[in-house]
Amino acid sequence: GENVEQHPSTLSVQEGDSAVIKCTYSDSASNYFPWYKQELGKRPQLIIDIRSNVGEKKDQRIAVTLNKTAKHFSLHITETQPEDSAVYFCAARRGQAGTALIFGKGTTLSVSS
Amino acid sequence: DTAVSQTPKYLVTQMGNDKSIKCEQNLGHDTMYWYKQDSKKFLKIMFSYNNKELIINETVPNRFSPKSPDKAHLNLHINSLELGDSAVYFCASSQPGQGIRNTIYFGEGSWLTVV
Repeated sequence: GENVEQHPSTLSVQEGDSAVIKCTYSDSASNYFPWYKQELGKRPQLIIDIRSNVGEKKDQRIAVTLNKTAKHFSLHITETQPEDSAVYFCAARRGQAGTALIFGKGTTLSVSS
Repeated sequence: DTAVSQTPKYLVTQMGNDKSIKCEQNLGHDTMYWYKQDSKKFLKIMFSYNNKELIINETVPNRFSPKSPDKAHLNLHINSLELGDSAVYFCASSQPGQGIRNTIYFGEGSWLTVV
C-alpha cells in the first residue's frame, strides 16, 4: 500500500520568510497529491493540490511541485504570515473509486512576528 | 449549508460503553470515509465506502463497525470502548474520478474521550 513520509515535523520561521515542506510517496500508481492545512481544533482543509500530469502549481503565496520520477512533492509558502501557523499535511492517492488519501504525519508550522 | 456534517461533536463516555457517530454529506458524492486522528495528530484511514459498498477496511479492531444506509450517510458504531479509542474521528467524502471531483472534504470532527 501507499506510504507517505513528510519532513520536517516542526518548522519555525520569521514572518516574511519562506517555508518548505517535503513529502515522498511509495506507490507509483498514486496520481493525486493534495495539501491540507489544519488549524487548532478545526478540520483539515484543502489548500492546494496537484495531479500527476502537472509538475508545478501556484496559488498566490503557495506553490506545490511534483517530481514523479523521484516520487517527491513539496509545498512552498512565501512571505509567511502569523496566520499561516498551523499543521500542514501532505497526502497521496490513486484515482480509483473508493481509494483513500494516505497522509503524511504532518508539519507544525510556526510563524513568529 | 454544511457539506459534511457529523454528530456529536463532543462525546465523553466510560470504558466499556457502546457509542455511535453519525455522518451525512449533501455534496452528492459516492464515496465516504472515516479517519481517526490521534493525539499525535496523525490522520489514519479507517474505512472507505463507495456507493454503500465497503472498499477499505484498514487494520481496525472489529469493535468498530461502519454502516452506510445510503450513499449520503456513513455512521460509525464503536462497541466496548477502550481508553485508546480516545481521538478525533473525521468523516469525509469525495467523488471518484479526475479533476476537481477528486477532492476529499472533511466534516468538523467528533472528539471522543473515553474515561
